[in-house]
Amino acid sequence: QKEVEQDPGPLSVPEGAIVSLNCTYSNSAFQYFMWYRQYSRKGPELLMYTYSSGNKEDGRFTAQVDKSSKYISLFIRDSQPSDSATYLCAPCMVMDSSYKLIFGSGTRLLVRP
Amino acid sequence: DVKVTQSSRYLVKRTGEKVFLECVQDMDHENMFWYRQDPGLGLRLIYFSYDVKMKEKGDIPEGYSVSREKKERFSLILESASTNQTSMYLCASSLTGTNSEQFFGPGTRLTVL
Repeated sequence: QKEVEQDPGPLSVPEGAIVSLNCTYSNSAFQYFMWYRQYSRKGPELLMYTYSSGNKEDGRFTAQVDKSSKYISLFIRDSQPSDSATYLCAPCMVMDSSYKLIFGSGTRLLVRP
Repeated sequence: DVKVTQSSRYLVKRTGEKVFLECVQDMDHENMFWYRQDPGLGLRLIYFSYDVKMKEKGDIPEGYSVSREKKERFSLILESASTNQTSMYLCASSLTGTNSEQFFGPGTRLTVL
């Protein structure tokens, strides 16, 4: 079983739709939860991160973590064609003096104009 | 503006060749990372370094080595390239800190024939 599971998609939605992207993880040692966005032919870039269970909002994006069920979500409101990208969840665990990110395989999102 | 650059966007090598992938960051980051990205498998950590001349194995170090002689430069070496090392290779850097954002380069698409 992979440590982090993510539906690969592609997920195709019309412009303006609410998008829900999800991950599950198996290791309860994860403490931080990050979402990276990767455009085609580019490296990933950090979109959001959260530390604890609950919601964190940043503009049209909301990250949600439920540690009890080991479930991570990213919601995008009023989705735009420019949101078309692959979204990678990345739970993080702290180890001694360093940390380790485990990346999901990514969900490809296509927002149609 | 953080910049992580990688020496080549595309590289084609033959089986058995020694391959060098170079990564340079200009933000004085302590940590540097090498990942490979494959469809359905996501990003997998090969090696990382938290200081000059320091290196730590990631999840899939077999067949690879690294070198970090200067803080800004982190090299990935394939001692004898094999076809199963055909992949997208991504370099990243970050400051020290448990929730520190990783900044990625654009990636090198390596094909081993």
